[in-house]
Amino acid sequence: NAGVTQTPKFQVLKTGQSMTLQCAQDMNHNSMYWYRQDPGMGLRLIYYSASEGTTDKGEVPNGYNVSRLNKREFSLRLESAAPSQTSVYFCASINLSGNTIYFGEGSWLTVV
Amino acid sequence: KQEVTQIPAALSVPEGENLVLNCSFTDSAIYNLQWFRQDPGKGLTSLLLIQSSQREQTSGRLNASLDKSSGRSTLYIAASQPGDSATYLCASFSGGYNKLIFGAGTRLAVHP
Repeated sequence: NAGVTQTPKFQVLKTGQSMTLQCAQDMNHNSMYWYRQDPGMGLRLIYYSASEGTTDKGEVPNGYNVSRLNKREFSLRLESAAPSQTSVYFCASINLSGNTIYFGEGSWLTVV
Repeated sequence: KQEVTQIPAALSVPEGENLVLNCSFTDSAIYNLQWFRQDPGKGLTSLLLIQSSQREQTSGRLNASLDKSSGRSTLYIAASQPGDSATYLCASFSGGYNKLIFGAGTRLAVHP
């Protein structure tokens, strides 16, 4: 049981490049989330998906797009990366009863 | 809009001390409140979850309380150990499972 798996773990991008962060969970959870974490600011919600086929904006969605490919996978895409998107990105999932949220190990993204 | 604040931002204590970490939230209409631990360079691990109908939860040396009316939660750590050194984050679930909002965290250092 791998839990929540994110790839890649580290990535350096040039300004204007695009990339996709992948996230998969094997716990049959309905809800999935993407957060970014910046120093001294805790985690901020980018996008979430309450169920397969639905996505909604969180606190800081600008510059990002998401895709809930199926129940297992929820990807985050940066179409044109900017230095302000340098951050640590976390994917998370939760079951219907909402008892515990599980996080991936994080993806360190640097935009130069 | 839910806002979650954690005080203090950083704390350094000698081993063996009992300590309290504070978390406050602006919207009392929460579904639950969770406390997480984050080690440097790692993801988040759920420590305790308090449902809105509960007043406290305990796990080993950890005790978390919730007072919805005052918008506060505390995490009590008894007999602190160097292994407790980490960042502790609280987060509230409101608006169903769609809005898990985090505080900025308290960075704890326990020295021998």
